[in-house]
Amino acid sequence: DSGVTQTPKHLITATGQRVTLRCSPRSGDLSVYWYQQSLDQGLQFLIHYYNGEERAKGNILERFSAQQFPDLHSELNLSSLELGDSALYFCASSLTTSGSTDTQYFGPGTRLTVL
Amino acid sequence: LAKTTQPISMDSYEGQEVNITCSHNNIATNDYITWYQQFPSQGPRFIIQGYKTKVTNEVASLFIPADRKSSTLSLPRVSLSDTAVYYCLVGAHRAAGNKLTFGGGTRVLVKP
Repeated sequence: DSGVTQTPKHLITATGQRVTLRCSPRSGDLSVYWYQQSLDQGLQFLIHYYNGEERAKGNILERFSAQQFPDLHSELNLSSLELGDSALYFCASSLTTSGSTDTQYFGPGTRLTVL
Repeated sequence: LAKTTQPISMDSYEGQEVNITCSHNNIATNDYITWYQQFPSQGPRFIIQGYKTKVTNEVASLFIPADRKSSTLSLPRVSLSDTAVYYCLVGAHRAAGNKLTFGGGTRVLVKP
């Protein structure tokens, strides 16, 4: 158990819909990262938040957005869903102190199925 | 982030040592080398990290030659439960703009 929690575990929805995925980082971790893993794309970095502020963006679609709240939990919002958005979505957290090697700890993931 | 190259798959047997080599020719001075393990439908799990020479923990050893252009993850006496995908990542870890770039990984199959 990494200490990172994600809800829901599974999500089935239809094309065009909007969903919200939630992540609670490990206690004390200030950084939250979101990754997407699909069969044909592997693990893709989406976005990184540090203490409530966006720090880095990867290949995140404009239909996707994220935020990190004052209590440090994070939400990933996916809208206008397409079949190709079906994937495992992982959240990771890290302490992120200056000069640290900043190991990321991954949650169990949310499996999104778009029908 | 430095690009990494590692074998697509490896087969082994229970009790054997598994060595996975990762090439990272354009590694930068401040880059670290990190290995993650991933089981099907689970999030990647940190295994080991190093900068140079040798690092050992309760799970694995990481060998890094002086030029740091490659590294080898060594899993001693593997068991069936070590069947997983192993990712080699290279990059600097900073407070700002940190991200991990995962390659294809090495799929290790441990046979009885």
